[in-house]
Amino acid sequence: QVQLVESGGGVVQPGRSLRLSCAASGFTFSFYGLHWVRQAPGKGLEWVAVIWYDGSNSYYADSVKGRFTISRDNSKNTLFLQMNSLRAEDTAVYYCARDEIELAGATIPDYWGQGTLVTVSS
Amino acid sequence: QSALTQPASVSGSPGQSITISCTGSSSDVGGYKYVSWYQQHPGKAPKLMIFDVSDRPSGVSNRFSGSKSGNTASLTISGLQAEDEADYYCSSYTSGRTLAFGGGTKLTVL
Repeated sequence: QVQLVESGGGVVQPGRSLRLSCAASGFTFSFYGLHWVRQAPGKGLEWVAVIWYDGSNSYYADSVKGRFTISRDNSKNTLFLQMNSLRAEDTAVYYCARDEIELAGATIPDYWGQGTLVTVSS
Repeated sequence: QSALTQPASVSGSPGQSITISCTGSSSDVGGYKYVSWYQQHPGKAPKLMIFDVSDRPSGVSNRFSGSKSGNTASLTISGLQAEDEADYYCSSYTSGRTLAFGGGTKLTVL
């Protein structure tokens, strides 16, 4: 079955960096686009970024553009999110999610991980 | 990048039907078939309930159905059950090749 396991969350000071990872199994990783979606405490879902199945394209929410970088290692079935210049408003549970479309551009997520909490605080 | 508009809350009694709306624009909901709905129970990850406007993933009850008219998508839950009480989010692919989410709707089963 499809499994996505996020890691790398924790408490970090404003202005510092953090790198999240998402280990995937149960499907052909290199065939699918992947998303990062976050949820601030008590708030709704906010899409963060997406990367195509082959890593050829990536897109970001305006709120993180220029600070966050999504990447993937298809040889290790792992997705990453490099987060720089972190702000208090980046505090959230970060979910990785697989796209529904195979071998094409990304559209909407179908399977989700359980999330990892990032807290930005001094 | 604007969020899609959903009602903050809806409620219904067991056995009844409810509908949650999701309003966007021609650049997202109205322009693409890639509209989905997610169910989220407290402390849990979102679960896909409807994809591509009206398709149901394997294992999702046929009490859940989706539709779209113009720039507004809708999720209907028929035969409400206590376990349906959760937060529901719509999402749509956008012309900017990004994804937009609705603000979420809290469903209360009375």
